[in-house]
Amino acid sequence: EAGVAQSPRYKIIEKRQSVAFWCNPISGHATLYWYQQILGQGPKLLIQFQNNGVVDDSQLPKDRFSAERLKGVDSTLKIQPAKLEDSAVYLCASSLITGYSNQPQHFGDGTRLSIL
Amino acid sequence: AQTVTQSQPEMSVQEAETVTLSCTYDTSESNYYLFWYKQPPSRQMILVIRQEAYKQQNATENRFSVNFQKAAKSFSLKISDSQLGDTAMYFCALLIGNTPLVFGKGTRLSVIA
Repeated sequence: EAGVAQSPRYKIIEKRQSVAFWCNPISGHATLYWYQQILGQGPKLLIQFQNNGVVDDSQLPKDRFSAERLKGVDSTLKIQPAKLEDSAVYLCASSLITGYSNQPQHFGDGTRLSIL
Repeated sequence: AQTVTQSQPEMSVQEAETVTLSCTYDTSESNYYLFWYKQPPSRQMILVIRQEAYKQQNATENRFSVNFQKAAKSFSLKISDSQLGDTAMYFCALLIGNTPLVFGKGTRLSVIA
């Protein structure tokens, strides 16, 4: 089975520019997650989708971050404008059903974002 | 709020030896799940092992096993016969119902030849 696909793998931008990341979950996975992982820390959830609806976006900085999953399949995460503290790895994960841990989350390779 | 604490930022082990990574957590819930994830330099988070809180038996997965102490809220990972490919960051994570996974800060494990 194909895994979670993310692109790009690396991105370098200047502060105040905008950037977008793309994620294609495992086929059939209804739940999709975006995590931010700052160097030296564990991943922190930004937003969780169930199909094309948002389940949890309480930790998403909505003044600059946005995410969508229009057709309930792939998703994009956007940052506009970027700040220095947004430098991190952005991980996408998917699972079959929210909250059922016998269906664990599968992670993509992540996008490493560097802000200059 | 749920928290996960990994008190060992870095550890090292000789190849073929055994190493134990520590994790403690805090929650007032009685039903939850615990995980250990491995993150090699490639960055992909790989599920190593999981434990359901209602199960008393410790989970095992080949060379990986856990010591789950529910009363102490402790969930350590034991890696037996360590291999060079085990070198990675290891994250302990807690899942309760519909809430997001809560990760610890990770332990960097180096396996030395």
